[in-house]
This record gives sequence, C-alpha cells and structure tokens, in this order.
Amino acid sequence: DAMVIQNPRYQVTQFGKPVTLSCSQTLNHNVMYWYQQKSSQAPKLLFHYYDKDFNNEADTPDNFQSRRPNTSFCFLDIRSPGLGDAAMYLCATSLLRDRGNEQYFGPGTRLTVT
Amino acid sequence: DAKTTQPNSMESNEEEPVHLPCNHSTISGTDYIHWYRQLPSQGPEYVIHGLTSNVNNRMASLAIAEDRKSSTLILHRATLRDAAVYYCILRALRNDYKLSFGAGTTVTVRA
Repeated sequence: DAMVIQNPRYQVTQFGKPVTLSCSQTLNHNVMYWYQQKSSQAPKLLFHYYDKDFNNEADTPDNFQSRRPNTSFCFLDIRSPGLGDAAMYLCATSLLRDRGNEQYFGPGTRLTVT
Repeated sequence: DAKTTQPNSMESNEEEPVHLPCNHSTISGTDYIHWYRQLPSQGPEYVIHGLTSNVNNRMASLAIAEDRKSSTLILHRATLRDAAVYYCILRALRNDYKLSFGAGTTVTVRA
C-alpha cells in the first residue's frame, strides 16, 4: 500500500544534541510537510517542500531545519533540541498544494529530550 | 484567516449516528471546509471536504449550511474505531496549502 513512513517512531535525544527525524513516501506526491504536535495540542505546521522549493512558516524557530534530497524522502533536523521541543513530529504529503488536495499523514515520531 | 468553533467533546453510542457541528461565521466565499480526524497515537487522517454542496464518501457525510456559516460532519453509524479528535479546518485561497488545526472535538463512542 502507498503510504507515509516515519522512522523512528520514538526518539530520545539529549538536551542540545542534534537529532534528525526521517520521513519517506511511496505516494510520489509533490508536497511534503512537517508538523509539530505538543502534548494535548493540535498539530502546527513548521514548513513544507513543494518539489525542491522550501517554504518556512514565519514562526518556526531557526533551530528547525529540513532537507529533501529527492521526491521520496524528507528530513527534519533539530540543531540543538531544548526541553520545549519534546513533541510528536508528523510528516504529511499531498499531490498538490492547493485547497482541494488532502494531506496524508504518517504515524509520527515522538521525540523525548532528556 | 477565518476561524472555526467546535464543541470540546461529544459522546455517542455504538452504531448510532454522530453529528459533529462546526461554526465558521467569518468564512469567505473561496474557503474550503475540510475535516480531519486523529485517532489515539496516530497521525491525522483526512475525512472529507467541501465548498458549497453537501458531500458524501465512504467515511462520512458533510452537510454545509446554505449560508456556509456552519457545517456538520455526519458519521452514519459510529463504531469504537471512530473514537478520535475531529478537526474542522478552513482552507483559504491565501495560504491554501495550510492546514490550521484548531482544538477539535473529542468523540467518545460507548459500546
């Protein structure tokens, strides 16, 4: 089945130690998104790629970066994780970027910062 | 951007219909109404979307008021697997790529 895959499902990192979360998709979608969901809150968009074009949300901290080396893969890099970055990180894809397109989400990676 | 208002929680009995309301009184003519749900420990899942007309798919129905200031997601026969947080989201022409999640409605289904 075509899907959005996130690895690992659970990640523990130390305060200040860089961490990378990965996302892959078999849907061949043009757009890939990263959302952050803190405990008991709604998901919040960090940034997205439309093909190779990176689009950052205005309030996304500089500590968060992303890479998309090819259509199938997208990475979320947290350069210096703080305790406040503990959250579920959700990757999503869509064929196109407009309002009529649904987004397909992966299961998420739960990040713990110690 | 136009906002949505949903009840915090709703309860239903298994195999009964569930009607989830969403108010969006400041919706603009080009805003699409999307519904997503998030089951426990999973990523959100698309349910349905519409613009003006009522919509049906295998998961649910979406009833949109004539003035578009409100909509209702209808789950025709709730099952235990429908227990989730349901989000009503407006997708605007400006920033139309964006899903801006609100607090959503937590649906509990009783066996």
